[in-house]
Order: sequence, then structure tokens, then C-alpha cells
Amino acid sequence: EAQVTQNPRYLITVTGKKLTVTCSQNMNHEYMSWYRQDPGLGLRQIYYSMNVEVTDKGDVPEGYKVSRKEKRNFPLILESPSPNQTSLYFCASSISMADTQYFGPGTRLTVL
Amino acid sequence: GQNIDQPTEMTATEGAIVQINCTYQTSGFNGLFWYQQHAGEAPTFLSYNVLDGLEEKGRFSSFLSRSKGYSYLLLKELQMKDSASYLCARGGYNKLIFGAGTRLAVHP
Repeated sequence: EAQVTQNPRYLITVTGKKLTVTCSQNMNHEYMSWYRQDPGLGLRQIYYSMNVEVTDKGDVPEGYKVSRKEKRNFPLILESPSPNQTSLYFCASSISMADTQYFGPGTRLTVL
Repeated sequence: GQNIDQPTEMTATEGAIVQINCTYQTSGFNGLFWYQQHAGEAPTFLSYNVLDGLEEKGRFSSFLSRSKGYSYLLLKELQMKDSASYLCARGGYNKLIFGAGTRLAVHP
């Protein structure tokens, strides 16, 4: 089954404790992206990747890092999480930016 | 968000027709997407317009006017399961820019 998976689905952590949210797709898509979704603000792009080893900042990259060592995986790293990073995070993939994006199920993160 | 405007909330009656409008900044335009998102779930693709005109797909249709920076999503024969948020997204340089979404409530 074609899908995008994210782990964990839910996470409660404390300020400053490094964490990684994994994202994996099995559709051989080149384009992958991370979004955060907050009430009233919609989906905002954090980082995106056009292909392996090619990543770039989205609209809200501060406090986040990503890597793209393999085509299928695109982890999101929070080196020192803060409460303002409490949000719902979605990973997405597509053949290219101009194509339909397929979203993962979401990760609800709470930083205390 | 980011120069994409759509109404925050709409209500409609089961069986009726509803039109959700979206206006966007035209510079760097590279296609217009509509996604549906049920509460607590991931967005799912509904439609994509890159040329002017109406694209029909079953009960859902989407319209685009590039010169006006305007799109709408038309939902016909509304069903209770259509209660969801509808996200308008504009393709730009290497990314999608989403509006804040329109929360549609369908009532009997």
C-alpha cells in the first residue's frame, strides 16, 4: 500500500530534550516536506527536500533541522524543543512540488 | 496564511450546494490545489487547477481564474461526511503555500 508513515504519532516532552520525528514514504517520491499546523494559521512549511541530500528552508525553519540521506526517509529534528513548538506536524511527499502531495497521519507534539 | 484568503467557517444543509472561495497572490503562481481535512486527520487531495476554467470530479468541482487570483471549490449534493476543513493551496517556487482553511459544517 502506498503510504507516508510518521513516528511517533503522539509525543509529550520537556523543554530542551532533543527529539526526532521520523517520516518514511514507499512511493519513490523525490519531493518531501514537513509542515506544522496550528489553529487559525493553517499548514506552514518548515523544510522541504527536492531529492537526496537536497534540502531547503520553508517558511518557519527556526528551531528545526532535517536530513535526506535516503530517498524514502526525511526525519525532522528538534535539537532543543521549546513550548512554542507544540503543534501538529505533518510530513508529505510527492513526485515533484507541482504534483499531489500525500500526507502522513500527523504527529501531535507537546513541549512542556 | 501568506496572502491566501478563504472564509474561516461556512455552514450548509445536507443535499445543498456550497461554494468555498479562495483568493491568492498571483506572483510566482504554479497551480492551485484543494485539500480536504477531517478533524484530527491528514489532508487528502481533492483537486488541482493550473489552467483557467472548471474541473469537475464527481460531486466536487474546482474553478480557477489566474488573472483574478481566484479559485473556488464547489460541493454538490452535500452529505454529512463532507463536514471538514477545506484547504486552498497555491503552488509557488518549490513549495506549496496553504491558506488557513475553511471549516464547513453540514447539518441535516
